[in-house]
Amino acid sequence: NAGVTQTPKFRVLKTGQSMTLLCAQDMNHEYMYWYRQDPGMGLRLIHYSVGEGTTAKGEVPDGYNVSRLKKQNFLLGLESAAPSQTSVYFCASSLPRTSGRIRTRNEQFFGPGTRLTVL
Amino acid sequence: LAKTTQPISMDSYEGQEVNITCSHNNIATNDYITWYQQFPSQGPRFIIQGYKTKVTNEVASLFIPADRKSSTLSLPRVSLSDTAVYYCLVALSNDYKLSFGAGTTVTVRA
Repeated sequence: NAGVTQTPKFRVLKTGQSMTLLCAQDMNHEYMYWYRQDPGMGLRLIHYSVGEGTTAKGEVPDGYNVSRLKKQNFLLGLESAAPSQTSVYFCASSLPRTSGRIRTRNEQFFGPGTRLTVL
Repeated sequence: LAKTTQPISMDSYEGQEVNITCSHNNIATNDYITWYQQFPSQGPRFIIQGYKTKVTNEVASLFIPADRKSSTLSLPRVSLSDTAVYYCLVALSNDYKLSFGAGTTVTVRA
């Protein structure tokens, strides 16, 4: 049981290049999230998904796109990278707040992060 | 999402108890209080969650007064490995989005 994994761990891009970050989870979680974390700051939500085939914008979605074609995978794309997108990107997954008649705790499981530098 | 306020940093020594207080004056009736821990170069990790009074698990205790406008995370007998950033979050019981502030950097010294 690997939990949440992210690929790649590190990446350096030039301005204008594109790339896709892959997040995979093996916990059968419905919900998945992409965050970015800048130095000295907390995490900010970029996009999230409440199920296969659905995505929604978070707090800072501009410059990013996402796709959730399979339940276990959540992809984050940068179509034209900018230096302002230099950051550490974290993926997370969770159960819905209620599962059947059971209220689950508000726990998200995070991946190890991807450190992206845009020159 | 309710805004939270917590100290930027705290220092402690091994074996001491660390208490981090978080203010959330605008907490709503259905909001839960959740704490996460983040080590350097890692993603955050869930520590504890509560609604009112006191919650205790193998890692920490969470104290919530009756008015719920604040909460205190208590880490008993800290060790060097407890050095981390601790985030206080308030989220609706039926909302899955979390809002992380800057957190509290706890440094434990020998």
